[in-house]
Amino acid sequence: GQNIDQPTEMTATEGAIVQINCTYQTSGFNGLFWYQQHAGEAPTFLSYNVLDGLEEKGRFSSFLSRSKGYSYLLLKELQMKDSASYLCAVREERGSTLGRLYFGRGTQLTVWP
Amino acid sequence: SAVISQKPSRDICQRGTSLTIQCQVDSQVTMMFWYRQQPGQSLTLIATANQGSEATYESGFVIDKFPISRPNLTFSTLTVSNMSPEDSSIYLCSVELGTGNTIYFGEGSWLTVV
Repeated sequence: GQNIDQPTEMTATEGAIVQINCTYQTSGFNGLFWYQQHAGEAPTFLSYNVLDGLEEKGRFSSFLSRSKGYSYLLLKELQMKDSASYLCAVREERGSTLGRLYFGRGTQLTVWP
Repeated sequence: SAVISQKPSRDICQRGTSLTIQCQVDSQVTMMFWYRQQPGQSLTLIATANQGSEATYESGFVIDKFPISRPNLTFSTLTVSNMSPEDSSIYLCSVELGTGNTIYFGEGSWLTVV
């Protein structure tokens, strides 16, 4: 099974930096994904980590520690359009069914001017 | 990236009816996945659609309620049968591309059952 935990809500101001944490417990770990979901829209892929360390992609970075079952998404230079739900998802390797993801409940980020 | 098209994008359905959602991908993929996102909730996997074999359903989801077809490597359908208001959700198809480091979602199908 899997247990994925992330904060329900966060707020920050425009131009600031925010870190959204995600902890997980799973067996056969095979990657952690972050998605952004604006209200009324489908999730949009942000990042993928399978090895320990930091992956940087523009204003967004994602970090993974497999030994700690921990990841975070770092958003820099926040903009109003970054207000959205951020979903942490873990891929659990199980036989041939790669690709199936297990999602946390999402963190609703509100960016204030 | 991939282009993943879903139809319908939105629908309002009568209780007791069935609706089929289509998912078309612009490249061939081995596995396609169907998720549900109920209001205010996160995504839950319904089933994995494998080309040429029966779909694999997650706990709590059954073929009679959510029959799936996968006739080829670019297309799949999910039917929501005998709908009730509890089936009001977003239904999303998903595919894994490349070396497995990218998983994309379709635009979603917003269903409201009245």
